[in-house]
Amino acid sequence: SSELTQDPAVSVALGQTVRITCQGDSLRNYYANWYQQKPGQAPVLVMYGKNKRPSGIPDRISGSSSGNTASLTITGAQAEDEADYYCNSRDSSGNHLGVFGGGTKLTVL
Amino acid sequence: QVQLQESGPGLVKPSQTLSLTCTVSGGSLSSGSYYWSWIRQPAGKGLEWIGRISISGSTIYNPSLESRVTISVDTSRNHFSLRLSSVTAADTAVYYCARESYDFWSGFYDSWGQGTLVTVSS
Repeated sequence: SSELTQDPAVSVALGQTVRITCQGDSLRNYYANWYQQKPGQAPVLVMYGKNKRPSGIPDRISGSSSGNTASLTITGAQAEDEADYYCNSRDSSGNHLGVFGGGTKLTVL
Repeated sequence: QVQLQESGPGLVKPSQTLSLTCTVSGGSLSSGSYYWSWIRQPAGKGLEWIGRISISGSTIYNPSLESRVTISVDTSRNHFSLRLSSVTAADTAVYYCARESYDFWSGFYDSWGQGTLVTVSS
C-alpha cells in the first residue's frame, strides 16, 4: 500500500474546476509533486515544490497544500486534461525514500 | 534539454536477473545536483519507486525490493543501470528511468525516459 493516498477517479465537466487530492503523513514535512500521464506515455511533471509549474505547463493548473493534504487544481478543465495524475513525495521514515500515490484518473465530461 | 533512454531485454525468464541501462544525452550525468532514478509501472497500475543513485555512487532503494536491486552508474559512458535479481511475473512492468531534482523539502522527476516494457515469462 502507498503512503500517499489519492482518490482512484474524479470527473469534471468541460470548462469547470476540479481538485485532485493527495494525503499522507510525510506531506507535513515534504512538498508533493504532481505528474500527468496519458495512455502509453511517460509521466510528465506538472507541479513541483512549493506550487511551482515547469515551463510549458498552463497556469490553469495550480497546487496547494495544508497539513497532510496536497491538492492539484485544474481551473477550466479542457479535454486534453483527461489523464492519470500521480502525486509523489518523500516517505515518512525520514530516510528520504521516494513514494508515489496510487494515482487519480481524471475524466473530462 | 537532457534526454533519457532505457535499453535492455524485453523478456526475462523467471528466477533470472533483469538488467536495464539508461543512457543520458543532451547533458552530462555528472553535471548539476541530481539523483538518477528507476521507477516501474505494471500494466494498468500505478507508479512504484525502485531506487536512485547519486553521481558519487550513493544508493537508496525501495525497502520492498532492496534485497534484489542494484543501481550503478558509469559516468564515462553517461549512463546508469538497474539490476533486479530473482524476478517473478510480479516484476513484469514498464520500467522508467528518470532524473530527480531535489532539495531537503522535495525530490521531483523532471526528465523521464519513454519507458521500456519488461515481461517475465518462461
